Amino acid sequence: GNSVTQMEGPVTLSEEAFLTINCTYTATGYPSLFWYVQYPGEGLQLLLKATKADDKGSNKGFEATYRKETTSFHLEKGSVQVSDSAVYFCALSDRTDSNYQLIWGAGTKLIIKP
Amino acid sequence: ETGVTQTPRHLVMGMTNKKSLKCEQHLGHNAMYWYKQSAKKPLELMFVYSLEERVENNSVPSRFSPECPNSSHLFLHLHTLQPEDSALYLCASSQLSGGFSSYNEQFFGPGTRLTVL
Repeated sequence: GNSVTQMEGPVTLSEEAFLTINCTYTATGYPSLFWYVQYPGEGLQLLLKATKADDKGSNKGFEATYRKETTSFHLEKGSVQVSDSAVYFCALSDRTDSNYQLIWGAGTKLIIKP
Repeated sequence: ETGVTQTPRHLVMGMTNKKSLKCEQHLGHNAMYWYKQSAKKPLELMFVYSLEERVENNSVPSRFSPECPNSSHLFLHLHTLQPEDSALYLCASSQLSGGFSSYNEQFFGPGTRLTVL
């Protein structure tokens, strides 16, 4: 079956540090991959997405590259800010599966200290 | 602002109360979802409606009853809840187009924080 595995948090970094949050997946078909972010007290927002292998999604300084060979979609940012403190969720949608369901990772809490 | 609104934002209820959560999407989407988010647990999909027909019910207790009167509105009716039902309830919508190239990008509301006493 399809699944998503994220690194456990919390991840605590200082401002301007480099960020990597690991995400790996298993899928039987041809998944699209997503990163969602949830700021304190809010719902989830789509951060970036990639729909096929080697695509790079990017938004707000965050990037993730769809790596089919390693079944990964790691989230990176070169210089984090305090305002990036949030919970980040990796998710996949498999087009050969019922396409109304996203498969979610458990979420990784990111804490950025000034 | 994602185009999905939820009311109320906060709700406190006793175990014998009956209440309803409301979700409205202004995006013209054809699918809507209810999720439950509990502390230290993965996001749980509760219900899915596609074209106003329920297509998914992940073994949710009957004390939760969804209603989708049209493609823009979704309700979650609550009755005789338990304290363990306290959580953030998130509504989402998406446009399902089918076909090989489709993918499911969901747009979320801000959630209703529910506390059951």
